Amino acid sequence: QKEVEQNSGPLSVPEGAIASLNCTYSDRGSQSFFWYRQYSGKSPELIMSIYSNGDKEDGRFTAQLNKASQYVSLLIRDSQPSDSATYLCAVYAGNNRKLIWGLGTSLAVNP
Amino acid sequence: GAGVSQSPSNKVTEKGKDVELRCDPISGHTALYWYRQSLGQGLEFLIYFQGNSAPDKSGLPSDRFSAERTGGSVSTLTIQRTQQEDSAVYLCASSFQVGEGETQYFGPGTRLLVL
Repeated sequence: QKEVEQNSGPLSVPEGAIASLNCTYSDRGSQSFFWYRQYSGKSPELIMSIYSNGDKEDGRFTAQLNKASQYVSLLIRDSQPSDSATYLCAVYAGNNRKLIWGLGTSLAVNP
Repeated sequence: GAGVSQSPSNKVTEKGKDVELRCDPISGHTALYWYRQSLGQGLEFLIYFQGNSAPDKSGLPSDRFSAERTGGSVSTLTIQRTQQEDSAVYLCASSFQVGEGETQYFGPGTRLLVL
């Protein structure tokens, strides 16, 4: 089992819809979770971090964390074509507390 | 303030040559990370530095890869006797310190092509 798993996609949603991106992790002791966005040919940029169970909202983005079920999700409301990118989930995990990266989910928002 | 910078932005080299990739972290960031990303693939951890020390070199693919950091700032990743499979984007990131919850900020990357 991979330490951090994401559906590779592509996830395709129409403009204005809600995009839901999911990530599961294996280390039950993980405490810190991050969502990064990576446009094609660019480097990853941080969207949100979350540390506590529940929801955390920032503009059109909401991160949801459920430690009991070991998943973290990212919701993008009112999706825009400019949201089309690969979304990377990263989790501090492992005995050496290293940041572990998922392979990313490709999102396409169609006008 | 300035973000993470990397140079060169692009590098084309011939198989067997040595290359040096440079990373200049955000001022004040004590932690520095090197990753590799092949086309369409995820991030592959290579090495990280806390100050000038590299506690975890487990990700370096072979002994042809080495990295150093001096003055707690600039880091250089060196690839000796490059091979075609070394072609990838090499990303550097920095964070204020190493530890749970520390956000990593990425540079623009160096695109390496080995012919």
